[in-house]
Amino acid sequence: DGGITQSPKYLFRKEGQNVTLSCEQNLNHDAMYWYRQDPGQGLRLIYYSQIVNDFQKGDIAEGYSVSREKKESFPLTVTSAQKNPTAFYLCASSRFWTEAFFGQGTRLTVV
Amino acid sequence: EDQVTQSPEALRLQEGESSSLNCSYTVSGLRGLFWYRQDPGKGPEFLFTLYSAGEEKEKERLKATLTKKESFLHITAPKPEDSATYLCAVPVSTSGTYKYIFGTGTRLKVLA
Repeated sequence: DGGITQSPKYLFRKEGQNVTLSCEQNLNHDAMYWYRQDPGQGLRLIYYSQIVNDFQKGDIAEGYSVSREKKESFPLTVTSAQKNPTAFYLCASSRFWTEAFFGQGTRLTVV
Repeated sequence: EDQVTQSPEALRLQEGESSSLNCSYTVSGLRGLFWYRQDPGKGPEFLFTLYSAGEEKEKERLKATLTKKESFLHITAPKPEDSATYLCAVPVSTSGTYKYIFGTGTRLKVLA
């Protein structure tokens, strides 16, 4: 089945630690996105990528980094510079201008 | 400035009580408007795409409509399983790339 796979579903991070969230898609979509969702709030764009080896900052990129070495993969690293990383992270992909499809999310908690 | 606003923020309905959710948008050159359903702890699930004013799409108890300034998601005779957060989004172009602007959603609760 085609879709978007995010892993892990739950992730715990210690203070000062970098963690990487995985996002893989087999929909042959060119564009991929990372969003952050906080309780009771909307989706905020962290980074997005339209093609391999290129990506753009979204509205809240500080403290995060990404790479796009393969069309199918768009991992997100939450660095120690992100002071409030506890949130629900969503990855999405799309063809140009059409509807985006989402993964099931990763819930990150700082311990 | 490109913007998407949803109302109301929250809505409680009795089972069978029909209502509508609103999504107002301000974008230059609409290339589509998307509706999603999101259950707690899950990723948004795609429902509909609307491309031009006057267009309508239906799925079970849901019907989405589009005008030049807003979109409505009509829920007819809702059931408790329709309880979820409903999001709308539009694609916008920026510096040769494109991204999606999402509204903050309407949290719908349908009571049995």
